[in-house]
Amino acid sequence: SQKIEQNSEALNIQEGKTATLTCNYTNYSPAYLQWYRQDPGRGPVFLLLIRENEKEKRKERLKVTFDTTLKQSLFHITASQPADSATYLCAPYTGGFKTIFGAGTRLFVKA
Amino acid sequence: GAGVSQSPSNKVTEKGKDVELRCDPISGHTALYWYRQSLGQGLEFLIYFQGNSAPDKSGLPSDRFSAERTGGSVSTLTIQRTQQEDSAVYLCASSADGTGELFFGEGSRLTVL
Repeated sequence: SQKIEQNSEALNIQEGKTATLTCNYTNYSPAYLQWYRQDPGRGPVFLLLIRENEKEKRKERLKVTFDTTLKQSLFHITASQPADSATYLCAPYTGGFKTIFGAGTRLFVKA
Repeated sequence: GAGVSQSPSNKVTEKGKDVELRCDPISGHTALYWYRQSLGQGLEFLIYFQGNSAPDKSGLPSDRFSAERTGGSVSTLTIQRTQQEDSAVYLCASSADGTGELFFGEGSRLTVL
């Protein structure tokens, strides 16, 4: 069956460093993959979408890569700030109109 | 409004009672989704609508859960005979055509005593 895996442990980094989060998927080949941010007590907010024919996509301090051979997406936040602390969710497209999310990785950026 | 609106934002009910949660999607969005998020957990897919039809109800946890959408707009998630394990945040999202970006509401927090 289709499976989505994200680092279950929280990621703690120092302000100014680059945070790298991982999303792995198995048993399917998504045409695209999305990343969302969720703050405590709030709904997720869309950040980036990367398609299977795109190796990398950037938006301000965010960078996403998509390796269809490894079945993996990496999400990078450069020059991280305490305000980047949140849970980050990946959602590889599973077909049809159904969007399934990974469990998310909590990121803590210390000042 | 400009975003996805959900009501109530908080609901406390007694075990065995029925509850209705409402979602008002972004105007013109054809796809509407319901998710459940238990404390500290990820998003659990419940159901989605394309227009007024629900092609995939596979995520509904039991037959106590049902959802409908009317006029291609507002959706209601109904939980009958609530149980304590139903306590969670119920999130609604909409998207323009069912692919790509989802816009989420702030959720309805349900507590079953």
